[in-house]
Amino acid sequence: DAKTTQPTSMDCAEGRAANLPCNHSTISGNEYVYWYRQIHSQGPQYIIHGLKNNETNEMASLIITEDRKSSTLILPHATLRDTAVYYCIVRGVRSGNTPLVFGKGTRLSVIA
Amino acid sequence: SQTIHQWPATLVQPVGSPLSLECTVEGTSNPNLYWYRQAAGRGLQLLFYSVGIGQISSEVPQNLSASRPQDRQFILSSKKLLLSDSGFYLCAWDTDLLGNTIYFGEGSWLTVV
Repeated sequence: DAKTTQPTSMDCAEGRAANLPCNHSTISGNEYVYWYRQIHSQGPQYIIHGLKNNETNEMASLIITEDRKSSTLILPHATLRDTAVYYCIVRGVRSGNTPLVFGKGTRLSVIA
Repeated sequence: SQTIHQWPATLVQPVGSPLSLECTVEGTSNPNLYWYRQAAGRGLQLLFYSVGIGQISSEVPQNLSASRPQDRQFILSSKKLLLSDSGFYLCAWDTDLLGNTIYFGEGSWLTVV
């Protein structure tokens, strides 16, 4: 079972920041927070991941609370192409024994 | 750079026919390999994963099987397909590195009729 909780769906106006929350209250000290997104009929795409510190890349920013029990993915200027299902996943540092388990994710709709 | 390929991209198979989906990874060695399935309108379900040649872990009991005959090759098979096997099948890989990231193939659409 997935160890994260996300809202089922969200809307965001084009050009505005999209803030997608995720709760992972049972995260352990050696688990990372990963974000992926899946655009219809495509394989999931990696966005960003982090352990404790906030992270930023060309796609998004990841804000992790100090107690690590929740995080927020921020798409700074959402476009119509960002419409997708966004998955928040926690995972241990050694992948072989901890396969990536997807929950239901958040369906983000970017509206013109 | 590393790449992952899976094929065929699309297939339509009759009930009771066999299935073989193939996945290969290039540009890395000893990857962990995964098969996921996504039924229409549903989430991603992990089917099998493998940490090495001949090592297969099954997550969901079903009429599907997986094999890893070579380090970078992962095959999903069935002897007799069911209607419920229809869906979007995804192969993925990663490595046992700190903070590793998993990468997905393009996917294979299977329709069982």
